[in-house]
Parts: sequence; C-alpha cells; structure tokens
Amino acid sequence: EAAVTQSPRNKVAVTGGKVTLSCNQTNNHNNMYWYRQDTGHGLRLIHYSYGAGSTEKGDIPDGYKASRPSQENFSLILELATPSQTSVYFCASGDLRDWGGPTYEQYFGPGTRLTVL
Amino acid sequence: QQQVRQSPQSLTVWEGETTILNCSYEDSTFDYFPWYRQFPGKSPALLIAISLVSNKKEDGRFTIFFNKREKKLSLHITDSQPGDSATYFCAASEGNYQLIWGSGTKLIIKP
Repeated sequence: EAAVTQSPRNKVAVTGGKVTLSCNQTNNHNNMYWYRQDTGHGLRLIHYSYGAGSTEKGDIPDGYKASRPSQENFSLILELATPSQTSVYFCASGDLRDWGGPTYEQYFGPGTRLTVL
Repeated sequence: QQQVRQSPQSLTVWEGETTILNCSYEDSTFDYFPWYRQFPGKSPALLIAISLVSNKKEDGRFTIFFNKREKKLSLHITDSQPGDSATYFCAASEGNYQLIWGSGTKLIIKP
C-alpha cells in the first residue's frame, strides 16, 4: 500500500512568518507534488519534482518554494506567509505503471490544514 | 490554458438511483482520464480511470463513458448508496506525469 505522510497536520502561523510543510513517501516514486485545495477551486498544483534535487513550478508557485533533498522527502516553504495562503495542502507521489495501457496514479497524503492569521 | 470542466458542481440523488457526473476537456493531447474520489475530511484517491483507446471502463457499480469526438466523459454510479457521498474529481493527463484537475462535483446520496 502506498504511503505518503505529511507534517504537521495542522498549523497556525502569523502573517510574515516562515512556514515549512513536510512530506515523506515510502513508495520509491520519482514524482512528488504539492497541491492546495480551496472550496470551488479543486486541486491546484503549486510545485512538483521529478526526483531528488529537482523542483518545478506548477500553476500557482508565487509565494511558495519547494525542496526535494531526497527521493523520500519533499518540502513546501512559505517564506513570508500571508492570510491568502490559508488552505489545505496536499502532498502526493506518483509514478508510471502499466496495466495493459499506460496508467498513472497519484497517492495523496492526509493533508495539512494551514491557517495564517 | 488547459482546462478540465465538471458539472454539476453539486448533486443530490436518492439511494438506489443512478448518478451521472459529467466532465469535458479542451486539449486534444490528453490521453488518460482518471476519476478521483474524496470523502469529507480525507484525501483524494483514485477511483477509476480510462485511456484514449477505450470508450468505456467498468469497475463494479462505477462506469466511465467516453465520447472522444465531443471530448466528454461521464461517470455513472448505479444503485447509488449513501456511502458514495463524496466529492468526485475528473482529471486529465497527456503523459507527462501531471494531472489537470477539474473543480469537482459534490455528491450527496439521500437514504
């Protein structure tokens, strides 16, 4: 069973403070993703990574940085948190596998609820 | 911008009825279309998926119908149960390991 964990699960931060969200996966997947989920917007991609040392910008990268120091770990960093970054953040890992045609599944962590006051 | 659209935004169905959730896309390069389900307070998880080579994919009570010409998909849930109440996301991929997500349909099944 795929395993993606996130920490912390809940976080309250002050405006202008630095926030680091951590993600760990034991699936040995190459690809990892950070999403935020807000009502009415579904899942929006912030940053992603193809492997250790790589980070790529997603659709909404402004105000966020990412770090992938190893295959297992992927962090999301908010250097100067703002109230507009209050959201639920999901980390996911994924890789390509065949089932008679190429398929692709992303496995999600339990999410981190971030509140910026 | 690549887009995946879902309708309706929310839907209430009686237990035992068939639920139909709709999805459409614009980019002709998409070739893989998964549906994810998210229960309240939980994370999304893959429910069922279809690729461009198929017109239909079944898994128990869940079936994807795919109209490639019109770039439309629908997810049918037969004999809908209260336990099916969740938000359903349609997504699309063009093989680059990224998923383009729809905004979801919130489904409530009333007993």
